[in-house]
Amino acid sequence: QKEVEQNSGPLSVPEGAIASLNCTYSDRGSQSFFWYRQYSGKSPELIMFIYSNGDKEDGRFTAQLNKASQYVSLLIRDSQPSDSATYLCAVNDDYKLSFGAGTTVTVRA
Amino acid sequence: ETGVTQTPRHLVMGMTNKKSLKCEQHLGHNAMYWYKQSAKKPLELMFVYSLEERVENNSVPSRFSPECPNSSHLFLHLHTLQPEDSALYLCASSQVVAVSSYEQYFGPGTRLTVT
Repeated sequence: QKEVEQNSGPLSVPEGAIASLNCTYSDRGSQSFFWYRQYSGKSPELIMFIYSNGDKEDGRFTAQLNKASQYVSLLIRDSQPSDSATYLCAVNDDYKLSFGAGTTVTVRA
Repeated sequence: ETGVTQTPRHLVMGMTNKKSLKCEQHLGHNAMYWYKQSAKKPLELMFVYSLEERVENNSVPSRFSPECPNSSHLFLHLHTLQPEDSALYLCASSQVVAVSSYEQYFGPGTRLTVT
């Protein structure tokens, strides 16, 4: 199984700031990358996916991919208390996804 | 709510009981997955079905038995569970093309408590 590494956190940011989450992966041949948000006691929810090098923006979220460095990140702009959750990075691994352990984000008002 | 549903949402069972978890996906996907998530632990992949064929079984104890009668339905049959099996059980589905998975969509999960 492919390895996916994330800082476990917790990452604490003030409301309105930018939260930056990082993820590294072991397989240079990986093609698809995903970010999920999971609130406590709930199931993971897909928030972003990225296939090509560079940036992809969706509302307050920006995913950044650098395949040469085997690195994918998620930026959350104008962080809100409702963004407080665990964020999971996932990488495609044949017919399944390999998930990181997640980074817990706390946005303080 | 997503296009993946799970029932029941909560289940309490004794160690000698037999119960089943049900998952249904309405997304037209061809692969389905069972995950276990214990408190404050990462997702653990249990089983994968692709085109209704089981393609992965991650050393899961035999007291967990999956069934995939068609591409839209997935079951997890439970018997003689242990208290350490208490967890959130998540079902997911995705579209697999040429042995490559696209994004997975998760159901709401079944919160299982074994007493």
